Amino acid sequence: AQTVTQSQPEMSVQEAETVTLSCTYDTSENNYYLFWYKQPPSRQMILVIRQEAYKQQNATENRFSVNFQKAAKSFSLKISDSQLGDTAMYFCAFMITGNQFYFGTGTSLTVIP
Amino acid sequence: DTEVTQTPKHLVMGMTNKKSLKCEQHMGHRAMYWYKQKAKKPPELMFVYSYEKLSINESVPSRFSPECPNSSLLNLHLHALQPEDSALYLCASSPIGGTGELFFGEGSRLTVL
Repeated sequence: AQTVTQSQPEMSVQEAETVTLSCTYDTSENNYYLFWYKQPPSRQMILVIRQEAYKQQNATENRFSVNFQKAAKSFSLKISDSQLGDTAMYFCAFMITGNQFYFGTGTSLTVIP
Repeated sequence: DTEVTQTPKHLVMGMTNKKSLKCEQHMGHRAMYWYKQKAKKPPELMFVYSYEKLSINESVPSRFSPECPNSSLLNLHLHALQPEDSALYLCASSPIGGTGELFFGEGSRLTVL
């Protein structure tokens, strides 16, 4: 079975500080892709960052970076220099062959001014 | 054009009404998806179309009827819905294979009275 676990339902961070959102997953597949999606209160879900499981190097996108630990099946998201616009639901997800996607339950992040 | 466009943005219907949700993308993606999302919850997969053919139906009640007229359009026909069907309905598309990133529309907020 494929599962994604986000153990932090809600988090908050002061503006300009750094926050890390955790995600663990389980799959027996060897080839897969991992994603973090952001859904602000205006509701459109957008991709924050993507990681190919076969790559050891952690993905980075400006203030967003991941810590990918394949053996531990862990995929955490670090947001540096948090901004008010980072307030959103964050969903961890992975995709296996056949374009099958699995989402975690989400972490609601609030950035405090 | 990297957009997935959904109409209408808001829909209120009675339990005896028939309505449709529409989704359009022009990114050449050959996989299109319907998700249902409740507040503060992850999206739940309803249907997947691959190459305009229904490939996944997640045991969705027959009062929801999907249709994929061509590679750019996806419809969701609604009939005899229940109040518990009130939710945000998200359309998404993705390329088949490759990194498979999902591109989401803004969603259609459905209220069933």
